[in-house]
Amino acid sequence: QSALTQPRSVSGSPGQSVTISCTGTSSDVGGYNYVSWYQQHPGKAPKLMIYHVNTRPSGVPDRFFGSKSGNTASLTIAGLQAEDEADYYCCSYAGSYLRVFGTGTEVTVL
Amino acid sequence: QITLEETGPTLVKPTQTLTLTCTFSGFSLSSPGAGVGWIRQPPGKALEWLARIYWPDDKRYNPSLESRLSIMKDTSKNQVVLTMTNMDPVDTATYFCAHRPETTDDYDYWGQGILVTVSS
Repeated sequence: QSALTQPRSVSGSPGQSVTISCTGTSSDVGGYNYVSWYQQHPGKAPKLMIYHVNTRPSGVPDRFFGSKSGNTASLTIAGLQAEDEADYYCCSYAGSYLRVFGTGTEVTVL
Repeated sequence: QITLEETGPTLVKPTQTLTLTCTFSGFSLSSPGAGVGWIRQPPGKALEWLARIYWPDDKRYNPSLESRLSIMKDTSKNQVVLTMTNMDPVDTATYFCAHRPETTDDYDYWGQGILVTVSS
């Protein structure tokens, strides 16, 4: 059960869009529509932003959009805002009721 | 309102056993679909899923740590306890417990986390 692969960092200017990739295998990301995304600000607990690939929990802005193609899932943040600067982690079901997280991506708002 | 709080030692010695307690409110582990998970994060590093326990008493563990982990629940006290044996400095991390909603196998409410340092 290896960690899912994410880019170390992405950046964008306010108002722009950024996309974070999350690459796994057919045993996790590619095998199930159970990918989620968490936002984590420094010193804080993670916050669930997306689940089931593209479902937003109540209260999460529709600027956050999830998708998946094959073994790679993606999180797109449209209309980037200063408050979006944080670390983002993907998470996937990996069979046998197990979960695996990604390596994490730092989003910087320029 | 769902809340969770992790308690336990903040410093343990190598080879010792770590026992962490997650005390929660706003839900019951005797309700169908309810669940609590444990996730840890070494300083400056990524999240790592450790274990979870669901109603009625379904337990799952990270395969790489399964031999060292044990998760239990006390429904009457609204607590979930995680034990990890044979602690090592590489286990130094912030340990979070989190609530699993009925609609997904993910975690929608988290505790603030507890930093556990393993050092002699």
